[in-house]
Amino acid sequence: DIQMTQSPSTLSASVGDRVTITCRASQSFSDWLAWYQQKPGKAPKLLIYKASTLQSGVPSRFSGSGSGTEFTLTISSLQPDDFATYYCQQYYRSPLTFGQGTEVEIK
Amino acid sequence: QVQLLQSGAEVKKPGASVNVSCEASGYTFINYGLHWVRQAPGQSLEWMGWINTDNGKTKYSQKFQGRVTITRDASARKSYMALSSLRSEDTAVYYCARDFSPGFYYYMEVWGEGTTVIVSS
Repeated sequence: DIQMTQSPSTLSASVGDRVTITCRASQSFSDWLAWYQQKPGKAPKLLIYKASTLQSGVPSRFSGSGSGTEFTLTISSLQPDDFATYYCQQYYRSPLTFGQGTEVEIK
Repeated sequence: QVQLLQSGAEVKKPGASVNVSCEASGYTFINYGLHWVRQAPGQSLEWMGWINTDNGKTKYSQKFQGRVTITRDASARKSYMALSSLRSEDTAVYYCARDFSPGFYYYMEVWGEGTTVIVSS
């Protein structure tokens, strides 16, 4: 199975901050990667697919980059609605696997 | 709008089976595959499997092979996930989620609200 490792596990930040979350894969796989946002008690929401393509309706302050084994999710200016947990997911090979999550909390 | 409506919470005893349903609305059911993903309390997301809603072809995570069965009833616009031989570690929220593609498993575009399954004696 492809292991996905996110860092950091928790991130404390303030409104307006630029935030970067990293996701590392145990195998290289081009750009077969998605990012999700999840708020407590809610289902995940797709933010980005194909490593850098923004899902329709997602604010442009979210962006994704990377290929191979290292990927990043960046929030250019953190908004109050962005405090949540973020997950990466690879879809290069079955079983589809997720990172352990990065909680973005208020500083 | 596109929606996935899941069945209600379940409480099961160890060794029992559970069946969770997912009803789609707002789009052509057979044009998109469906995933089943679970999340144990305080844990990350775990992919269980996928179904091609047009022809019923499935792909399961090896971890659940032999214990999980995913089916669909295209006329009812529903998918079902059955998990057998339940143990306490199966306590989780179970989600169905629509893929962007009909014929292969990629990422999850639209998610259901989740179904809580508690396994306890």
